[in-house]
Amino acid sequence: QSALTQPASVSGSPGQSITISCTGTSSDVGGYNSVSWYQQHPGKAPKLMIYDVNNRPSGVSSRFSGSKSGNTASLTISGLQAEDEADYYCTSYTGSSPLYVFGTGTKVTVL
Amino acid sequence: EVQVVESGGGLVQPGGSLRLSCAASGFTFSSYSMNWVRQAPGKGLEWVSSISRTSAYIYYTDSVKGRFTVSRDNAKNSLYVQMTGLRAEDTAVYYCAKSIADGVEAFDMWGQGTMVTVSS
Repeated sequence: QSALTQPASVSGSPGQSITISCTGTSSDVGGYNSVSWYQQHPGKAPKLMIYDVNNRPSGVSSRFSGSKSGNTASLTISGLQAEDEADYYCTSYTGSSPLYVFGTGTKVTVL
Repeated sequence: EVQVVESGGGLVQPGGSLRLSCAASGFTFSSYSMNWVRQAPGKGLEWVSSISRTSAYIYYTDSVKGRFTVSRDNAKNSLYVQMTGLRAEDTAVYYCAKSIADGVEAFDMWGQGTMVTVSS
């Protein structure tokens, strides 16, 4: 099973909204509502931002939202802030081997 | 404090072995599935293995099957991975990650990671 496809980079100005796509197949993204998103700052551990497509863990800003259509999931960051500059990874449960597949990662730059 | 802390990384020769540990605290360890995720230098995240609450179910990515063995000791609040037959491509930061809950396929707590370098 191949990694999910994400754009290598996305950028935006402070206050703008950006969207990161995550494209898989009917065996992963399209087959389960088990897509999650992680934020990773350089040299740090990943942090869960969204789970089950569109659920935010406690403590995560409401500026982060998720959605899914068919085999593509998306993460939207609204009101972009300097602290949002990081790498973002999607992942999907597959129910088979491998049990989870991660996306290729997207570097978000705040201009 | 609610946390997981990995240890045991280091430099090992190709073909060698290493055992990583993950110590959990601040939550009921036995109530959650646990996972190992790795990240090669400058690369993305890769799921390695998951183990259910009672160790009844253990899953591995294909590239480590037969070489890595994951276990847990709920009495010691600890997760382990025994790595044998190590290869250069196993070089990575290894993260221990807690699953949110049964039926919710996401990882809500990560350790700081431990670096494994496979090189002669």
